[in-house]
Amino acid sequence: GQQVMQIPQYQHVQEGEDFTTYCNSSTTLSNIQWYKQRPGGHPVFLIQLVKSGEVKKQKRLTFQFGEAKKNSSLHITATQTTDVGTYFCAGHRSGNTPLVFGKGTRLSVIA
Amino acid sequence: GAVVSQHPSRVICKSGTSVKIECRSLDFQATTMFWYRQFPKQSLMLMATSNEGSKATYEQGVEKDKFLINHASLTLSTLTVTSAHPEDSSFYICSARDPGSRMMGEQYFGPGTRLTVT
Repeated sequence: GQQVMQIPQYQHVQEGEDFTTYCNSSTTLSNIQWYKQRPGGHPVFLIQLVKSGEVKKQKRLTFQFGEAKKNSSLHITATQTTDVGTYFCAGHRSGNTPLVFGKGTRLSVIA
Repeated sequence: GAVVSQHPSRVICKSGTSVKIECRSLDFQATTMFWYRQFPKQSLMLMATSNEGSKATYEQGVEKDKFLINHASLTLSTLTVTSAHPEDSSFYICSARDPGSRMMGEQYFGPGTRLTVT
């Protein structure tokens, strides 16, 4: 079945450093979504990428979707303590198939 | 954005009893809802897809007789954990698609239900 790998599993950074998490699917995706889950909370939708090679920015967050639509990345510039949480990528193989989640990257930011 | 609620937020039950968890879409009609399970510090694992008016579709390895799903209306899906055991203790999260969302495939997650079986 479809698998979505995500690395790294954990990342500890000093406040102000950059952070990147990578997502790789075993199959081509129709879209990829990114979610953030704070400790004790539930996943909150951040963004969806649909087009091959697409790049989207949200303030300090930059999201990319690979040309082959099998990989994606989330980059945070100059991390802040409010960025702490687990970042999940998730993808659909097609519009009607279930969303498959990566294992997530847990980000810790040291002030 | 769309809102999905879950009830209860926490439940503690004794081994052998059954627990029902409700998932509601508050401001939209959801023909499809999803049930996930999340163990501590792990990812979300899809358990089943709940379709209004029809049988749920269960993922491989999920016992349909143990995790009963009912999607009787366009705003409510329920998950019943029958004859619960300590290994069923987990964080159960539902999500729903808003057909009116501009972004196809976007899912809205409920706040989750933490089940502890003693």
